[in-house]
Amino acid sequence: SQQGEEDPQALSIQEGENATMNCSYKTSINNLQWYRQNSGRGLVHLILIRSNEREKHSGRLRVTLDTSKKSSSLLITASRAADTASYFCATDGSSNTGKLIFGQGTTLQVKP
Amino acid sequence: DTAVSQTPKYLVTQMGNDKSIKCEQNLGHDTMYWYKQDSKKFLKIMFSYNNKELIINETVPNRFSPKSPDKAHLNLHINSLELGDSAVYFCATRDRGNTGELFFGEGSRLTVL
Repeated sequence: SQQGEEDPQALSIQEGENATMNCSYKTSINNLQWYRQNSGRGLVHLILIRSNEREKHSGRLRVTLDTSKKSSSLLITASRAADTASYFCATDGSSNTGKLIFGQGTTLQVKP
Repeated sequence: DTAVSQTPKYLVTQMGNDKSIKCEQNLGHDTMYWYKQDSKKFLKIMFSYNNKELIINETVPNRFSPKSPDKAHLNLHINSLELGDSAVYFCATRDRGNTGELFFGEGSRLTVL
């Protein structure tokens, strides 16, 4: 299965600290995406990294992709209480089925 | 204007009943999805439609039947509801063929008693 796995499952940090979440997957991919879900809300897309890219930045977010290890990481720098949410990675398989498979998510709590 | 809207947001019903969840999008996207999120937040893809045509049909009980009357709508009908159907159901849309980001609705929380 293409299912992604995320680690850690839960992370609690102080405001201002950096948060790192990791994602591993099993099959070859076209791209990998990260989403955020606030409690009781829908998922919101954060960033997409293609299989031929190694690193991407968006504001306080930095995503890396290592296709040889089939893993990705999401770094949130200078975290804020408003960053408290669940974060999911999702992989788009190279077979181009349009099926975006989500990992189990990391729940991040940022304490003020 | 909400881009992807689902109704109802909450649904509480008895086992054995039949219920529907509706999804509408105003983004003009070709592809629409239904995902199920369980109590552990695990998101599982159920169905995908591209321009009213079913293209992904995961291993889902045939009590679940999606219907896309037009490109902007994708509904989910569930027959003979079971306790295990309790979950949050998300509609999502996607542009640019099979790549690119998904746009999610706010979810429909189904509770089966």
